[in-house]
Amino acid sequence: SQQGEEDPQALSIQEGENATMNCSYKTSINNLQWYRQNSGRGLVHLILIRSNEREKHSGRLRVTLDTSKKSSSLLITASRAADTASYFCATDARLYDMRFGAGTRLTVKP
Amino acid sequence: DGGITQSPKYLFRKEGQNVTLSCEQNLNHDAMYWYRQDPGQGLRLIYYSQIVNDFQKGDIAEGYSVSREKKESFPLTVTSAQKNPTAFYLCASTSGIRQPQHFGDGTRLSIL
Repeated sequence: SQQGEEDPQALSIQEGENATMNCSYKTSINNLQWYRQNSGRGLVHLILIRSNEREKHSGRLRVTLDTSKKSSSLLITASRAADTASYFCATDARLYDMRFGAGTRLTVKP
Repeated sequence: DGGITQSPKYLFRKEGQNVTLSCEQNLNHDAMYWYRQDPGQGLRLIYYSQIVNDFQKGDIAEGYSVSREKKESFPLTVTSAQKNPTAFYLCASTSGIRQPQHFGDGTRLSIL
């Protein structure tokens, strides 16, 4: 079963706009991670946020975590056409593996 | 550069045939994973290995087999018992528990 559920399933925006993706999960976590996947490629790790953190930044990425609501959001500011990809959240529901959601497919139009 | 190499990029299987997907890493990671990705879906765990000569079933291990004879290598065999093998297969490794996973670029398996 999937632990993380991303919302929306698909998002289309214009270059320069901000993109926000959400992730909800069901069980307690130690950390939550966001990954990016370009079409036909493997996943690339973007950012890890621990359960005792509320917000984390990396370049144009901002991740928030609300453990009381069991949810996280990924914000990409000033999006570029090159940000077009699928974005996945993953949670460490079990000790030795991460559980991935179905992803949000982001399209940034030039 | 360190990384994970999966081969081949595309693979075709005939009915009743076993095929093996290769995964090699030079990151010196102990843990390695195999995932299956179907269109529009997330990743589902097939097998994982925490250390050489040890591996555990994931959520969808039926019809698949693995070996871990070397730290660097974690091949996946898709057996004829897997009736719906068409998917994108991803191999990953990690340096430790709950750490970020590093992924290869996948193998796309199709049925002839």
